[in-house]
Amino acid sequence: DTEVTQTPKHLVMGMTNKKSLKCEQHMGHRAMYWYKQKAKKPPELMFVYSYEKLSINESVPSRFSPECPNSSLLNLHLHALQPEDSALYLCATKKGDTYNEQFFGPGTRLTVL
Amino acid sequence: SQKIEQNSEALNIQEGKTATLTCNYTNYSPAYLQWYRQDPGRGPVFLLLIRENEKEKRKERLKVTFDTTLKQSLFHITASQPADSATYLCAPTGTASKLTFGTGTRLQVTL
Repeated sequence: DTEVTQTPKHLVMGMTNKKSLKCEQHMGHRAMYWYKQKAKKPPELMFVYSYEKLSINESVPSRFSPECPNSSLLNLHLHALQPEDSALYLCATKKGDTYNEQFFGPGTRLTVL
Repeated sequence: SQKIEQNSEALNIQEGKTATLTCNYTNYSPAYLQWYRQDPGRGPVFLLLIRENEKEKRKERLKVTFDTTLKQSLFHITASQPADSATYLCAPTGTASKLTFGTGTRLQVTL
């Protein structure tokens, strides 16, 4: 199985809501990533988990809270978001700490009203 | 600060021609460089990786070069097809733990 799945595909939420994005992989990859992508811009790194531990936080606001409950799952908990947080949120995985390619999921299109 | 620039305008070429995309970077020395393809509303898909000690890499109709002196990578698609239309992202990377993408080039291949 060489697939990274993300749920939901689309999410609309109000600024007071709490929601979560989910990412799942069964490739045995030990590095997992969250990216944010705005229209006509490249993906921007948010968080990196290595062996289920948070290794990089690119100064992301605390209204975004990542979680890696096990080696196959990555969550992004959302709370009190702003309209400017509307974007495509991408999950990616990579085999270990080496210079390998990343495998991306299809993304969750988030709209904050 | 680090900067990664790709052709800012969309690249329009005719089917069958060779498309050449440029990736220029400044203020760092990547150990390797990756190219990805992204279709609208989808996640990027890995295409090729080239290391700093490699000058050229090929895969089917794709060829990438990496010039560490010029701080530039060129990505070529030969015999281009309409199905090659997409946004292409380069990612020169100095550390194995993270990718930083260039601005991306939108390629449109017409009949």
